[in-house]
Amino acid sequence: GAGVSQSPSNKVTEKGKDVELRCDPISGHTALYWYRQSLGQGLEFLIYFQGNSAPDKSGLPSDRFSAERTGGSVSTLTIQRTQQEDSAVYLCASSQRPGQANTEAFFGQGTRLTVV
Amino acid sequence: AQSVSQHNHHVILSEAASLELGCNYSYGGTVNLFWYVQYPGQHLQLLLKYFSGDPLVKGIKGFEAEFIKSKFSFNLRKPSVQWSDTAEYFCAVNARYSSASKIIFGSGTRLSIRP
Repeated sequence: GAGVSQSPSNKVTEKGKDVELRCDPISGHTALYWYRQSLGQGLEFLIYFQGNSAPDKSGLPSDRFSAERTGGSVSTLTIQRTQQEDSAVYLCASSQRPGQANTEAFFGQGTRLTVV
Repeated sequence: AQSVSQHNHHVILSEAASLELGCNYSYGGTVNLFWYVQYPGQHLQLLLKYFSGDPLVKGIKGFEAEFIKSKFSFNLRKPSVQWSDTAEYFCAVNARYSSASKIIFGSGTRLSIRP
């Protein structure tokens, strides 16, 4: 597709259940980011994938959070044993040629996760 | 490590007022700088960007930003705001020449325009 695609757009889950959020980046973009946006909290960095390099996981808030990127394209963010504080909008972005000029990130529409 | 500070959490202006949103970053090397906007109910989109050249960059909808290297700043400005500028604005930085460098965002500034 032409843009970053995320699914589902909305997810309601029960506390303690696991959830998987999917991101399909723009074709050819080597960098992929996951951010979390909570009400009034701005954009919290979670994880960054760049090509075949080891991902930068420094933003993951706990070991309940994990992400993978298969074949350098689609990424899945998994949250295990969800808690109410995990409720937020999860944003995915992709960019090309990180570290060089013209490396703006393009965002998906986000997945709104509600843990009840 | 890079970081970005946006000093104004919430700004309230009347239509036609002038706008300046502050952004400071910390990183000693060459950077790419961005301002993103998120209108209510919409996804984040790029407002403007600076990579090199003229430090005064112009973006969409009459916005501009000035890169002042000595102050590590990239403030966003608009001479006369409109009600439709109501949105959240995010400043972001990315270190140049490092593929391991991720894009770091500030905490955002919510702009409310009174009609």
